[in-house]
Amino acid sequence: AQSVSQHNHHVILSEAASLELGCNYSYGGTVNLFWYVQYPGQHLQLLLKYFSGDPLVKGIKGFEAEFIKSKFSFNLRKPSVQWSDTAEYFCAVLEGNNRLAFGKGNQVVVIP
Amino acid sequence: EAGVVQSPRYKIIEKKQPVAFWCNPISGHNTLYWYRQNLGQGPELLIRYENEEAVDDSQLPKDRFSAERLKGVDSTLKIQPAELGDSAVYLCASSPSVYEQYFGPGTRLTVT
Repeated sequence: AQSVSQHNHHVILSEAASLELGCNYSYGGTVNLFWYVQYPGQHLQLLLKYFSGDPLVKGIKGFEAEFIKSKFSFNLRKPSVQWSDTAEYFCAVLEGNNRLAFGKGNQVVVIP
Repeated sequence: EAGVVQSPRYKIIEKKQPVAFWCNPISGHNTLYWYRQNLGQGPELLIRYENEEAVDDSQLPKDRFSAERLKGVDSTLKIQPAELGDSAVYLCASSPSVYEQYFGPGTRLTVT
């Protein structure tokens, strides 16, 4: 089974700062990768996904993620965060048995 | 389009009592998932249905948990009897394919 690691569970930063959240997975074969976001009081929703092709993928609200196969990583970035980006962010990997394996999440708080 | 609907949103019960959660997926989505999310963790799959068939229930604790999806639409997840360790958020998700899952708001269960 996949192991998905997300570090720095709690992140606090000011508006306009840059954000990068790390995600590492354990499986070395073909992977399908996702970032989900959960805003306060809302349900989990898809932020972006990578299946193949350009390893730099762009998602909603100015987020992007880069797939680096050699590092088993799929890090999420945003150049300039807003207060509305306060949320919990989850990295996930689709395993071979069509099971979605999630990391523990990053709680991000943006201070106005 | 309407999203995934779950009820109740919150439930508090005493240990050893039964509890049931209901999920109505997005219309047309044949695949339905139940996840459990413990505090500080990412969601973990309990069971996946393709139409009426449970195709992945290997992580469902079958001694106390049961699920059904009659007519391939709505689904119910039951715990009987509940234990203190069952306190968690129970998420339902549906998808038209394995590559994108749509999550409901979840049911927060507290077992006292």
